[in-house]
Amino acid sequence: NAGVTQTPKFQVLKTGQSMTLQCAQDMNHNSMYWYRQDPGMGLRLIYYSASEGTTDKGEVPNGYNVSRLNKREFSLRLESAAPSQTSVYFCASAGGLLNSGNTIYFGEGSWLTVV
Amino acid sequence: AQSVTQPDIHITVSEGASLELRCNYSYGATPYLFWYVQSPGQGLQLLLKYFSGDTLVQGIKGFEAEFKRSQSSFNLRKPSVHWSDAAEYFCAVDPGRRALTFGSGTRLQVQP
Repeated sequence: NAGVTQTPKFQVLKTGQSMTLQCAQDMNHNSMYWYRQDPGMGLRLIYYSASEGTTDKGEVPNGYNVSRLNKREFSLRLESAAPSQTSVYFCASAGGLLNSGNTIYFGEGSWLTVV
Repeated sequence: AQSVTQPDIHITVSEGASLELRCNYSYGATPYLFWYVQSPGQGLQLLLKYFSGDTLVQGIKGFEAEFKRSQSSFNLRKPSVHWSDAAEYFCAVDPGRRALTFGSGTRLQVQP
């Protein structure tokens, strides 16, 4: 019962470095999401992928890129990290359209600090 | 633009007391509504959801929520709070764009 698995769980980056957050789900879900969580701001959508082969921008996509590698995996890349990207990142997945009754499941989060 | 407002940033209740967490949304039509709970250092867990039908929905851990269209609200309630309910609670809506929009959260503290 792994569900949604994110790696790494913790990471410290220097400004300008690049890194990729990995996410995999084993529930055969079609839709996958990347959110960031900042104090007092709830979760904000960075990118999502409604199905394999498609990706769409969310509320805060600047500074990020994503790849839907296959149905299981959805990675988030920071090309040139900035201190403003210090946050907790959550990957999530859902079986299909949320308004079709599908529930979204979250990973446990990745804590990223950019110094 | 669609938005979700949780007006209470922090709430403290005594163990055994009742709880109501407020959530208001701004959207042209009735969205799909959710409540999630996040324990410290953890991901989010779904408490309950409303899609249609009965406006009072039951969830896990003894929580319920009532959808009130006239007030654009979806408040979360629990009759008797337990110390283990201390966490952060997020209201979320799916306005039909395939992803959830979250409120800023309400942190619940439970006093013994």
